[in-house]
Amino acid sequence: RKEVEQDPGPFNVPEGATVAFNCTYSNSASQSFFWYRQDCRKEPKLLMSVYSSGNEDGRFTAQLNRASQYISLLIRDSKLSDSATYLCTATDSWGKLQFGAGTQVVVTP
Amino acid sequence: SAVISQKPSRDICQRGTSLTIQCQVDSQVTMMFWYRQQPGQSLTLIATANQGSEATYESGFVIDKFPISRPNLTFSTLTVSNMSPEDSSIYLCSVQTGVGTEAFFGQGTRLTVV
Repeated sequence: RKEVEQDPGPFNVPEGATVAFNCTYSNSASQSFFWYRQDCRKEPKLLMSVYSSGNEDGRFTAQLNRASQYISLLIRDSKLSDSATYLCTATDSWGKLQFGAGTQVVVTP
Repeated sequence: SAVISQKPSRDICQRGTSLTIQCQVDSQVTMMFWYRQQPGQSLTLIATANQGSEATYESGFVIDKFPISRPNLTFSTLTVSNMSPEDSSIYLCSVQTGVGTEAFFGQGTRLTVV
C-alpha cells in the first residue's frame, strides 16, 4: 500500500465553481502535511501547509483529519490558471516527505 | 525558502553512458534529496544526500547506479550510470530546511535515453 494516495482525477471544473478532493496517508505518525501544485513539465511548488486547525489562503482551504488520516484541498471560484496537478505530502517517521501521485484539475471556460 | 539551481535542464543520452546532474542551493541546508518522477507518476525518492558521507538510498536504488556526491551544504550531484531507456525520467533535486518542513525543488532534469 502506498503511503500517500490520491484520486488521480481529472476533475473537470467549470470556471467559477468549487472543487474539493482528498488525500489519504497511512502513517499515523506523520507530523507535517503540505499541498503542492505541479504544472506540466515543471517542478512541484508549495501551495500551502496543512495545519491541524486547517489553513486558508485566499480561494484555497486545506483541512486535516487525523482520525481518518486524510487531508483535503478545496478551491473556490476556480480560475483557468488553477488547472494543474495537485500533490499532497505527508512526512514519514524521519521527517522526509512522501508524495501522492497527484490529482489533476482541469478548469474549463 | 531556498533557491535551487539544477542543471542540465534536459538531455538526450545514448544508452550505456552516464549523466551527472548538479544541484546548487543559495543557502546552507541540512536536508538534500534526489527524486525521480516518471510520466504520470508520483515523485519517488532515490536517496538522501548526506554532507561528507555516503548517501542514504531508498529501496530499489543503489549507489552503483546512482552515485551521489555532497561535498558541502549547498551543492550535490547525482549521476545516472550506465543508462538504459528505462532511466528516462525527470530527476529533481529537493531541499528541506529542517525535519518535517516543506520541500523546495530544483527545476528538474528531463532525461531521455535512446
